[in-house]
Amino acid sequence: AQSVAQPEDQVNVAEGNPLTVKCTYSVSGNPYLFWYVQYPNRGLQFLLKYITGDNLVKGSYGFEAEFNKSQTSFHLKKPSALVSDSALYFCAVRAPLGGYQKVTFGTGTKLQVIP
Amino acid sequence: AAGVIQSPRHLIKEKRETATLKCYPIPRHDTVYWYQQGPGQDPQFLISFYEKMQSDKGSIPDRFSAQQFSDYHSELNMSSLELGDSALYFCASRARGGVNTEAFFGQGTRLTVV
Repeated sequence: AQSVAQPEDQVNVAEGNPLTVKCTYSVSGNPYLFWYVQYPNRGLQFLLKYITGDNLVKGSYGFEAEFNKSQTSFHLKKPSALVSDSALYFCAVRAPLGGYQKVTFGTGTKLQVIP
Repeated sequence: AAGVIQSPRHLIKEKRETATLKCYPIPRHDTVYWYQQGPGQDPQFLISFYEKMQSDKGSIPDRFSAQQFSDYHSELNMSSLELGDSALYFCASRARGGVNTEAFFGQGTRLTVV
């Protein structure tokens, strides 16, 4: 069975500082990995995904994520945090042959950017 | 660009009532997924449709049913509502095109059962 772990319920970072939101995964075969952001009372917004290719994936709003196969990690990063980045972030994984019904989401990490 | 539209955005119902949630996918998307996200929870897959046929079923209670219509919009019908059904329900749509096509999520319907 596939799984996703987001070890931090909340991450606090000062505005302008770099941020990292951690994610580790477990899946059979090569993973399809995703990051979504959710603002209060809103649906998930796609940030970026890794399917194959470069381990460093660049996404929306200046976010990027680094795929590390040996550590089975897919941490979300941003060089300089903005207050508007404060939201709930979900990491997700699915096996290559699974559709979105087979997506497993992490429990989410609340990012709080402090002015 | 058109996005996934869900209606209503907010819905308040009493216990044992019924509710109908609607999802309008992005044009030319033929696949719809429904998810339920309880307070402080991660999204849980409920059910999906492809070309108007149910394609997969997740943790959807028997009190719930759903269908996809000829125009590809989908409706989630919820009967005998319980307090525990209070959640954010959102749908996602996806175009045909292989496993690499991206799904796009709607903003969700916030259902509150009182």
